[in-house]
Amino acid sequence: EAGVAQSPRYKIIEKRQSVAFWCNPISGHATLYWYQQILGQGPKLLIQFQNNGVVDDSQLPKDRFSAERLKGVDSTLKIQPAKLEDSAVYLCASSLGASYNEQFFGPGTRLTVL
Amino acid sequence: RKEVEQDPGPFNVPEGATVAFNCTYSNSASQSFFWYRQDCRKEPKLLMSVYSSGNEDGRFTAQLNRASQYISLLIRDSKLSDSATYLCVVNVRAGKSTFGDGTTLTVKP
Repeated sequence: EAGVAQSPRYKIIEKRQSVAFWCNPISGHATLYWYQQILGQGPKLLIQFQNNGVVDDSQLPKDRFSAERLKGVDSTLKIQPAKLEDSAVYLCASSLGASYNEQFFGPGTRLTVL
Repeated sequence: RKEVEQDPGPFNVPEGATVAFNCTYSNSASQSFFWYRQDCRKEPKLLMSVYSSGNEDGRFTAQLNRASQYISLLIRDSKLSDSATYLCVVNVRAGKSTFGDGTTLTVKP
């Protein structure tokens, strides 16, 4: 079974530029999560989707971050404009549904903002 | 105060040693608890769930103390391959996961 796919794996941009990340969850998984993991810290939830609806975006910095999951399958996360403190690994995870606790993570996108 | 707190370590132990990690959480309404493992520059993977009655999976034992709001992970007979960061995860509802910052374990020959 294919796992969670993410691209790109690495991205280097300058501050104030824009960047987008893509995630394709495990087939059949209704719930999709985006996390931000800063070096030395645990993953922090940015947004949770159930199919194409947002369940929780309380920790998403909405002035610069946006995410969508238009068809209820793959998802994009965008940062516009980027700040130095956005340097982190952006992890996408999926689960069968909101009531299922086990989350399967993708390999992440490592973002460096210069 | 962080919602989920872990001793960051690092824990450096010899092969064959027994090592234990603790994790405390602040929200008494938390419903479910997990340990994830994260290898260096890799994604987190579920290690085991933590039940009120405690649970064991081979060399790994997880326990929950709701009254004191902490969970623990015990690793017996440590292997070199156990070297990783162990993340404590607490759910206030299904899917709403709060991760600790992890405890780093290095097992040495």
